[in-house]
Amino acid sequence: QKEVEQNSGPLSVPEGAIASLNCTYSDRVSQSFFWYRQYSGKSPELIMSIYSNGDKEDGRFTAQLNKASQYVSLLIRDSQPSDSATYLCAVRGSNYKLTFGKGTLLTVNP
Amino acid sequence: KAGVTQTPRYLIKTRGQQVTLSCSPISGHRSVSWYQQTPGQGLQFLFEYFSETQRNKGNFPGRFSGRQFSNSRSEMNVSTLELGDSALYLCASSTSGGLAGSQETQYFGPGTRLLVL
Repeated sequence: QKEVEQNSGPLSVPEGAIASLNCTYSDRVSQSFFWYRQYSGKSPELIMSIYSNGDKEDGRFTAQLNKASQYVSLLIRDSQPSDSATYLCAVRGSNYKLTFGKGTLLTVNP
Repeated sequence: KAGVTQTPRYLIKTRGQQVTLSCSPISGHRSVSWYQQTPGQGLQFLFEYFSETQRNKGNFPGRFSGRQFSNSRSEMNVSTLELGDSALYLCASSTSGGLAGSQETQYFGPGTRLLVL
């Protein structure tokens, strides 16, 4: 059983639309959840972190966490072509290791 | 504050050789984690070091090893290289990691791209 799962995509949205990225995890005791963005040929950079159930907003980004359903999502409002990248969901579990999903490739079309 | 640095950035080796990669964490960060990234498997955790001790380990063969020095700089070594070891190797640092750092952000270096021929 994969520990952190994401739809591989590609997810294609028009400029200005909302992009919705989803992630599920298997470790029920997971404590911390992160979304990283990785441009082609670059290293991952953190865009959002969330630790409690509910929503957390930062600019155009909203992270949503539902621990009962073991589900975390990232919404990107007013998507821009510069948002085109691979989005990695990362979960810190009971062993404190950070486990990554394989990522979802997002393409925002002008 | 300078970011995480990794050297070398690119490396070409042949099967059977060994390789050593280096990582310098952000100043003040004591936890260093290593990851292997491939198109097929994504980002996979190799190991984490804190205060010169390996604190956590992923599911990689013993050919993959690492160490951390007193200044928090870390090296990883891969012996007897195989074609499948071709990957981007990423290093990430955080302040303390582990239990104390469960909410800490890990900051990634630019990576070392290794090609095994």
